[in-house]
Amino acid sequence: QVHLQESGPRLVKPSGTLSLTCTLSGGSLSTYYWSWIRQSPGKGLEWIGYVYNSGTTNYNPSLKRRAAISVYTSKNQFSLRLTSLTAADTAVYYCARHGGGLGQFDSWGQGALVTVSS
Amino acid sequence: SYVLTQAPSVSLAPGQTAKITCGGNNIGSYSVHWYQQRPGQAPVLVVYDDSARPSGIPERFSGSNSGNTATLTISRVEAGDEADYYCQVRESSSDLWVFGGGTQLTVL
Repeated sequence: QVHLQESGPRLVKPSGTLSLTCTLSGGSLSTYYWSWIRQSPGKGLEWIGYVYNSGTTNYNPSLKRRAAISVYTSKNQFSLRLTSLTAADTAVYYCARHGGGLGQFDSWGQGALVTVSS
Repeated sequence: SYVLTQAPSVSLAPGQTAKITCGGNNIGSYSVHWYQQRPGQAPVLVVYDDSARPSGIPERFSGSNSGNTATLTISRVEAGDEADYYCQVRESSSDLWVFGGGTQLTVL
């Protein structure tokens, strides 16, 4: 049973950088794509970007200049960095696995609420 | 970018059939995935590739997709089905994942 767990600071200052790590247990990062998705309070889901175990990445154009996703295969982890934060970046951040190549998100972490505030 | 449109809410009594729609330009040419999100919880995949069900998802959940509309059908609705439901596609030309705005299902 695949289990994903987000970790990282939950309170970040405006203009600062968000750093989150997703740790995988019960499986391997190899042969799958892995994404970060966020949800602002009371709002819908927004895909941020994905990484493959080779390090290949792709991002939502709306966040591309500020987001960076990295993979650490030996640690069974991948990470998200989001720079130049504003209050609009306050959200629950989820990590998720793509099933079937670049398909649906078939496993999700429980989510991490990150608040941008001074 | 590609836009998916969902009605904000739908309400019905237990035992009825819920049809939650997702509109998009020629959405029938995409593979549509559906997620259930209960309050305070992470989304859960309930239908993928238009009509396939992951293991553990009841047969009451089914999906279809044609033309400009994809539909998630929940038969014999129960109180435990109360949740937000999101449709999602991958726009292959731009390699982007797009979500609909979500539909809140209320069981009266």
